[in-house]
Amino acid sequence: DTEVTQTPKHLVMGMTNKKSLKCEQHMGHRAMYWYKQKAKKPPELMFVYSYEKLSINESVPSRFSPECPNSSLLNLHLHALQPEDSALYLCASSRDLAAMNTGELFFGEGSRLTVL
Amino acid sequence: AQKITQTQPGMFVQEKEAVTLDCTYDTSDQSYGLFWYKQPSSGEMIFLIYQGSYDEQNATEGRYSLNFQKARKSANLVISASQLGDSAMYFCAMREAYGNNRLAFGKGNQVVVIP
Repeated sequence: DTEVTQTPKHLVMGMTNKKSLKCEQHMGHRAMYWYKQKAKKPPELMFVYSYEKLSINESVPSRFSPECPNSSLLNLHLHALQPEDSALYLCASSRDLAAMNTGELFFGEGSRLTVL
Repeated sequence: AQKITQTQPGMFVQEKEAVTLDCTYDTSDQSYGLFWYKQPSSGEMIFLIYQGSYDEQNATEGRYSLNFQKARKSANLVISASQLGDSAMYFCAMREAYGNNRLAFGKGNQVVVIP
């Protein structure tokens, strides 16, 4: 079982809805990440948080809003999404940013989002 | 420009046989890291193995080994004694410049292990 827990596993939403994806880890990791993965494509980095501060935003549209309320939780707030935003959203964590550089990145199973 | 290239089509592998997954990369950095991840149908990305650009020995982790040929810029993954649970998508990834904190993933290789 993965030690990074993502909820919900599946989400269907309309373009006018507001929803949130949640990610939780209890490994004491201080770096957390959001990736987006379209079908049959590799994951693409969206955001990186380090010690609860946003470290990297890969020019993600503002309809995606990340939040890191504490060191164990990472949220992704969704508003006014488009059908092309339908994808698997993967959360990951690492002990710190340095650990990520040697591959010690732990992923959740993802939240599969469908935007109608 | 594509930094990681994985061009093999989907592969069928007989159980207990070895399989090699090809990965070539492109970088002008001297310090970089290469990774392989496994993604089963459940969606989770599972870290398999890491090779640093300055590591002189090829990385090994259990049944996984990385055939690192720096001059050719290749980092092929070898899975020995395939098991049915090895059926998954396999991604090669690169981190340029230590501290970059970004991974560039290849397009992946689909592997199906047959009994």
